[in-house]
Amino acid sequence: GENVEQHPSTLSVQEGDSAVIKCTYSDSASNYFPWYKQELGKGPQLIIDIRSNVGEKKDQRIAVTLNKTAKHFSLHITETQPEDSAVYFCAAFPGYSSASKIIFGSGTRLSIRP
Amino acid sequence: DAGVTQSPTHLIKTRGQQVTLRCSPKSGHDTVSWYQQALGQGPQFIFQYYEEEERQRGNFPDRFSGHQFPNYSSELNVNALLLGDSALYLCASSLYVQRDQPQHFGDGTRLSIL
Repeated sequence: GENVEQHPSTLSVQEGDSAVIKCTYSDSASNYFPWYKQELGKGPQLIIDIRSNVGEKKDQRIAVTLNKTAKHFSLHITETQPEDSAVYFCAAFPGYSSASKIIFGSGTRLSIRP
Repeated sequence: DAGVTQSPTHLIKTRGQQVTLRCSPKSGHDTVSWYQQALGQGPQFIFQYYEEEERQRGNFPDRFSGHQFPNYSSELNVNALLLGDSALYLCASSLYVQRDQPQHFGDGTRLSIL
């Protein structure tokens, strides 16, 4: 089955700098890759997603890139702000031909230093 | 438009007891998935319900069972509770025919086993 590796587990950046979180997946059939942000005491909230027919997607300060050949995808946050502090999870969906459950990475705790 | 709602928000039980957690999906959604999130970990898939049937199951013992009602709401039942069952239990809803679309999460039920 699908396995998703995420790193780093913790990341601290200066306010205004960029943050990058990287994930790799194992199942080449995976075709949908969402990113979730989880704040303390809350459930995960979708912040951006990308499908396998696209190499990059951007939404304001957040961008995601996908390299299907290498089976890795990354989240980029530019001009970080204090409210970006949270735990971020990547995930992969292994496609309709397999068990249709999303597999999550282990999370990255992002801290923004003022 | 109500999102995913879960109840209760917090629960304390002792070993050997049984517990029932509840979830109402986002309006318009027909599929409910349950996840267990241990402290510092990513969500782990328990099972998914659609048309009142369990469609997919993760690596969880039979002590974990569920139910979906005609109004699409769902329950998660855990029997013979163990200390290791202490976790945040998340419910996510989606449309079955669009399983590669984003899942919407509730804020979870924090279950503590003493």
